[in-house]
Amino acid sequence: GQQLNQSPQSMFIQEGEDVSMNCTSSSIFNTWLWYKQDPGEGPVLLIALYKAGELTSNGRLTAQFGITRKDSFLNISASIPSDVGIYFCAGQANGNQFYFGTGTSLTVIP
Amino acid sequence: GAGVSQTPSNKVTEKGKYVELRCDPISGHTALYWYRQSLGQGPEFLIYFQGTGAADDSGLPNDRFFAVRPEGSVSTLKIQRTERGDSAVYLCASSAGNPHRQFFGPGTRLTVL
Repeated sequence: GQQLNQSPQSMFIQEGEDVSMNCTSSSIFNTWLWYKQDPGEGPVLLIALYKAGELTSNGRLTAQFGITRKDSFLNISASIPSDVGIYFCAGQANGNQFYFGTGTSLTVIP
Repeated sequence: GAGVSQTPSNKVTEKGKYVELRCDPISGHTALYWYRQSLGQGPEFLIYFQGTGAADDSGLPNDRFFAVRPEGSVSTLKIQRTERGDSAVYLCASSAGNPHRQFFGPGTRLTVL
């Protein structure tokens, strides 16, 4: 199946710093989703984006649906230790399939 | 519990054996999804059920993989003649109707020796 490219692959940041990560695809998507996955758990939905150019926030998280519909961005402001985990983007073109990215592993150093 | 549950949490089997993985979705959720997540990768779509029927099974890698949901609730993913390459975490998710609001279970970690 198709995989989306996420970057960076991993990040090590100090508590309080802002974080930016992105996701790119060779295909156009109609919906972009961002998930967080903790060890031994399933992914948890953070933000859903439905329109090109859309900017949506959820607390300290902000995500954008790229204008080209081939990319999306996630920002985390003022990181805290519990932000540690793996962040996945997922895109949906048509139908029921969601294609997930390769993940960005975030480590927050207190 | 209120969330999606999956059993067993871990399964170790030998190459060539048959395994069944179970998913209990959130009560009332009509849609159920199976994904496979290999180490260091994102989840990969396998199959989607709407009610009792497999609405989309295009993600199943080959005919050794099969899934059922006979009463529109619990689902079982069945893998025949397991191979070492089948080792992964198998995730199940359910949703009430909006496919973008999927709730994932903790997964079953399958190891094929």
